[in-house]
Amino acid sequence: KQEVTQIPAALSVPEGENLVLNCSFTDSAIYNLQWFRQDPGKGLTSLLLIQSSQREQTSGRLNASLDKSSGRSTLYIAASQPGDSATYLCAVPTSGTYKYIFGTGTRLKVLA
Amino acid sequence: ETGVTQTPRHLVMGMTNKKSLKCEQHLGHNAMYWYKQSAKKPLELMFVYNFKEQTENNSVPSRFSPECPNSSHLFLHLHTLQPEDSALYLCASSQSGGRTDTRYFGPGTRLTVL
Repeated sequence: KQEVTQIPAALSVPEGENLVLNCSFTDSAIYNLQWFRQDPGKGLTSLLLIQSSQREQTSGRLNASLDKSSGRSTLYIAASQPGDSATYLCAVPTSGTYKYIFGTGTRLKVLA
Repeated sequence: ETGVTQTPRHLVMGMTNKKSLKCEQHLGHNAMYWYKQSAKKPLELMFVYNFKEQTENNSVPSRFSPECPNSSHLFLHLHTLQPEDSALYLCASSQSGGRTDTRYFGPGTRLTVL
């Protein structure tokens, strides 16, 4: 059974710092991994989707890497800004077609 | 309207009430989903519809009843809920429901059951 873990659960950093969020999954036979952002009380916004054949994806200041063999993904945020404050979730699809398993998220606060 | 919209954004109801949540997607997608997000728990998939047909019911109690009249609209009918059903209910859509499809989420309905 696939389990997804995110560490740390919460993180506070001063503005301008580079930071890394971690996501671990127990079953390495995944098709892809997706990172989302969720603002308080809001829905999820897709940030990056990495296919199993890829090792990383970049979008602006965000870079996500995937190491299937070790069951890990990291989300790197460069030069963090207060607007980056949100909860970041990673998700992987199960062996079935439709079901994504989500981690519990990392709650990030970037201090001005 | 663009993307995925949900109404109402907030809902407070008693245990004997009947209410409905509405979701609409303007992306031309064929798959739609209901998720439940409770405090400090991972997102839980509730229902999946692909081309208007329900393809997954993730062991959800019958007091939650989904309806998908067409590929753009999804409803969640609620009746005789329990206080533990209080949560953020998120609707999402994707192109075809496949494993490689990105899910696009609505803003959610914050439900409180008294």
